[in-house]
Amino acid sequence: TQLLEQSPQFLSIQEGENLTVYCNSSSVFSSLQWYRQEPGEGPVLLVTVVTGGEVKKLKRLTFQFGDARKDSSLHITAAQPGDTGLYLCAGAGGYQKVTFGIGTKLQVIP
Amino acid sequence: EPEVTQTPSHQVTQMGQEVILRCVPISNHLYFYWYRQILGQKVEFLVSFYNNEISEKSEIFDDQFSVERPDGSNFTLKIRSTKLEDSAMYFCASRAGQGNYGYTFGSGTRLTVV
Repeated sequence: TQLLEQSPQFLSIQEGENLTVYCNSSSVFSSLQWYRQEPGEGPVLLVTVVTGGEVKKLKRLTFQFGDARKDSSLHITAAQPGDTGLYLCAGAGGYQKVTFGIGTKLQVIP
Repeated sequence: EPEVTQTPSHQVTQMGQEVILRCVPISNHLYFYWYRQILGQKVEFLVSFYNNEISEKSEIFDDQFSVERPDGSNFTLKIRSTKLEDSAMYFCASRAGQGNYGYTFGSGTRLTVV
């Protein structure tokens, strides 16, 4: 069973601060996806990273895939209250299912 | 933007009753999935479906569960005899192809078994 560990599980920061959340596994993934989930809603795909060492930017969000394709990070610059939510990483080991981490619950305080 | 649509948004059912959760995936997508999320826990894989058959299923997806794509647009999850522990959010997802395509999730059906 492939497991994804996310840290921290909870993060509360002030508006304008930077933050990084992590997603780690002992397994190699063919790709890794980051989702954001609002309460009572389904996960919404933010990005897919595929190549070891890959870095993708989405406005103030920077996603990095580890060289060995076992870990990933999400860095948010100048966090805003609208960034509040649950951030999930999900690893694809094969071509079918993805395995989700427990998520990082981020709260950005105005 | 294309969406995955799920109905109903909430369902309350008595233990032992059958429920059918409905999903309309994105029209040109080929791969369909059901996931569930018990309150406060991880999103868990249930089943994947491709070319009108199940391609992979988890240990959770036992004989009480079944999936169907009856008419080329709907994708349903049936639970034959619900148990209290089936209470969860059930998410349908679809994606265009194999490889590194991301998943598009629906908004979910909150199932409460009483």
